[in-house]
Amino acid sequence: GAVVSQHPSRVICKSGTSVKIECRSLDFQATTMFWYRQFPKKSLMLMATSNEGSKATYEQGVEKDKFLINHASLTLSTLTVTSAHPEDSSFYICSALLAGPVRLAETQYFGPGTRLLVL
Amino acid sequence: QKEVEQDPGPLSVPEGAIVSLNCTYSNSAFQYFMWYRQYSRKGPELLMYTYSSGNKEDGRFTAQVDKSSKYISLFIRDSQPSDSATYLCAMTVIQGAQKLVFGQGTRLTINP
Repeated sequence: GAVVSQHPSRVICKSGTSVKIECRSLDFQATTMFWYRQFPKKSLMLMATSNEGSKATYEQGVEKDKFLINHASLTLSTLTVTSAHPEDSSFYICSALLAGPVRLAETQYFGPGTRLLVL
Repeated sequence: QKEVEQDPGPLSVPEGAIVSLNCTYSNSAFQYFMWYRQYSRKGPELLMYTYSSGNKEDGRFTAQVDKSSKYISLFIRDSQPSDSATYLCAMTVIQGAQKLVFGQGTRLTINP
């Protein structure tokens, strides 16, 4: 089956530093990747949609200068949390949409998530 | 009002019981419905998806959609301890948009 990986799985950083999270589709190409944020016991909230080779589309209320997204290839998207603060601590999950002539909702595959703790 | 409402639980049932998980939604434009299972500190895993009203069965899982009532359900038969996880409903407006709207998730525990 389609596998999406994320790296790192867990990161602890000091307030004010930047953290980069990678999302890779291991065995398929993904023209579109999504970044979600999940707070404890809460649902996934879409942060942004990332299309290969173009600028990401951010959801309302998400600071694009704080959460930098790059989708440089069909198998890799990165999320950089710039000048991280404790309130940015969360579980970040990416998903990748299988590329093809018909983009099916059920072919959005999720990564295992990255837990970020900002001290 | 949230677009998708899901009782967060927690829900605890004995092994072998039938489990019913539910979501309601307010946006009548939602056409595609999915159920995901998420184990602790892991990403969501797709369990079931359906595009139409009615029932869809896959092994011990049955997904039910009632568009007229804006209500979807997931039934788990012969529940196992390994089914213990958080179950998230998700839906999207059109197939190509892929922008999923998730429910809050229901934490389920199956007791041996």
